[in-house]
Amino acid sequence: SQQGEEDPQALSIQEGENATMNCSYKTSINNLQWYRQNSGRGLVHLILIRSNEREKHSGRLRVTLDTSKKSSSLLITASRAADTASYFCAPNTGGFKTIFGAGTRLFVKA
Amino acid sequence: DTEVTQTPKHLVMGMTNKKSLKCEQHMGHRAMYWYKQKAKKPPELMFVYSYEKLSINESVPSRFSPECPNSSLLNLHLHALQPEDSALYLCASSTPPIPQLDEQFFGPGTRLTVL
Repeated sequence: SQQGEEDPQALSIQEGENATMNCSYKTSINNLQWYRQNSGRGLVHLILIRSNEREKHSGRLRVTLDTSKKSSSLLITASRAADTASYFCAPNTGGFKTIFGAGTRLFVKA
Repeated sequence: DTEVTQTPKHLVMGMTNKKSLKCEQHMGHRAMYWYKQKAKKPPELMFVYSYEKLSINESVPSRFSPECPNSSLLNLHLHALQPEDSALYLCASSTPPIPQLDEQFFGPGTRLTVL
């Protein structure tokens, strides 16, 4: 099954710094999505990037996709304590199955 | 209304109990999902319903029984669970697969503890 692998597993930064998380996957995709999960809560969809897109922005979020390297990155600029959460990438090959990667746990220190 | 609701928030049950989890959405989505999430792990897909019909069962043990009575409601019936079934159970919904619209909306989850 298609599953993203995220790197790093955990990241600790100071408020105001940028945070970068990476995701690699194995097969061709239709799109790749990023989700955020605050501790013990439901997931929140952040951004979807299609296979024919290279970069996408949403507020302080910037996602890139390199299909030749089968990788994606999520950049959060000017991080805030409220950004503390787990971040999951979810490559999608079509259909209903969304297989989440292991996630990156981000901790932003105030 | 862009919300998926789940009840109850917390559930403690014994191994001989029968209980049900409930999920509801009023966004007109016709795909609904159950996920199981253990601590510090990603969500794992259990079931998918599309147009009220079971589309995917990820080899889930029969002690978990899903039901989709209508397009807004999804249940998960639990019977004779094991302590290792303790987890956060997440419900999600989406429009049926359209590559540019594959976003899933998640509920807050039910925290299940099996004693």
